[in-house]
Amino acid sequence: QKEVEQNSGPLSVPEGAIASLNCTYSDRGSQSFFWYRQYSGKSPELIMFIYSNGDKEDGRFTAQLNKASQYVSLLIRDSQPSDSATYLCAVTSGTYKYIFGTGTRLKVLA
Amino acid sequence: GAGVSQSPRYKVTKRGQDVALRCDPISGHVSLYWYRQALGQGPEFLTYFNYEAQQDKSGLPNDRFSAERPEGSISTLTIQRTEQRDSAMYRCASSLAGRDPSFGPGTRLTVL
Repeated sequence: QKEVEQNSGPLSVPEGAIASLNCTYSDRGSQSFFWYRQYSGKSPELIMFIYSNGDKEDGRFTAQLNKASQYVSLLIRDSQPSDSATYLCAVTSGTYKYIFGTGTRLKVLA
Repeated sequence: GAGVSQSPRYKVTKRGQDVALRCDPISGHVSLYWYRQALGQGPEFLTYFNYEAQQDKSGLPNDRFSAERPEGSISTLTIQRTEQRDSAMYRCASSLAGRDPSFGPGTRLTVL
């Protein structure tokens, strides 16, 4: 079982719709959870982090964490073609060892 | 300000040769990470430095891989006797203590 699992996609959504990206993790001791966005040919960049159960909103992005179910999600509201990228879920149980999933490729159709 | 820089950006080498990949972190960042990313995959942890101390090298695939950060700033990842399976994007990242890492542009290594 992989430590961090994501559906590789592609996930296709029409412009203006909500994109829902999901991630599960295996280590119950995981404490911090991150979403990175990676455009094709570029390096990953942090867009959200969440530490506590529940929802955290930042603009069009909402991260959701359910530690009991070992599940993290990212919602993107009013999806734009510029949101088309690979979204990487990362988990850490300490302060430095970030374990990444394989990423979900999102395509927003104009 | 300047981000993480890596050099070279592209490296093509023949099987059996040694390569050295350089990372120059963001000024003031005490934490430095090396990751490897295969096409279509997420970054895979290789090693972590806190200042000049290599605190975790559990992700280094085998003893052909080594890394150093002698003065707590620039780091070098060295791969000896390269093999074709070593071909990948090697990414360096840095951060302030306890903060999320910022990634550099990566070095694309191709072993022929």
